[in-house]
Amino acid sequence: KAGVTQTPRYLIKTRGQQVTLSCSPISGHRSVSWYQQTPGQGLQFLFEYFSETQRNKGNFPGRFSGRQFSNSRSEMNVSTLELGDSALYLCASSLVQVFVTEAFFGQGTRLTVV
Amino acid sequence: AQTVTQSQPEMSVQEAETVTLSCTYDTSESDYYLFWYKQPPSRQMILVIRQEAYKQQNATENRFSVNFQKAAKSFSLKISDSQLGDAAMYFCAYRSEDDKIIFGKGTRLHILP
Repeated sequence: KAGVTQTPRYLIKTRGQQVTLSCSPISGHRSVSWYQQTPGQGLQFLFEYFSETQRNKGNFPGRFSGRQFSNSRSEMNVSTLELGDSALYLCASSLVQVFVTEAFFGQGTRLTVV
Repeated sequence: AQTVTQSQPEMSVQEAETVTLSCTYDTSESDYYLFWYKQPPSRQMILVIRQEAYKQQNATENRFSVNFQKAAKSFSLKISDSQLGDAAMYFCAYRSEDDKIIFGKGTRLHILP
């Protein structure tokens, strides 16, 4: 079956703009979670959605938001982009809670803010 | 606050040898989940092994095994018969009962032919 699909793979944005990233989970998976990976901070959990509800959130400012649709696809939005938002953004899907059941990751979206 | 520490930023091992990656964590909880994930150059994270804290038996997956010491809050990963394909960044991850998800900084593993 198809894996987790993240689009786009690469993105360049200007400081102050906003961006939306998309994640399509494995069919049948109801949980989608998002992560930011940077050389300095490593991997950090952003949020987790389950059945269209945000059930868990990491320690990020309100500029980072997300949502999940009825077909489990998820989007992540970052408003008023800052240079420090440049990162690899990873999405993972799980049958139920992420890291309780196995998380399957996408290949990520590389966001560069200039 | 919960923390996960991987004290070895980089390690090297000869092909076919055994290597152990360390992970320690700090928590006051009794029930939680621990994982090792690898991230090869393709950037896609792949599950290596999973351990539930209430299970005393150490998890094993083929050449990969863990040494889970709950009292010491240690969760090390042993890779036996190292192969070139094992070269990757390895992350230790923790999920608490109250849904905190925390990663270690990672250990970059090099396999020497």
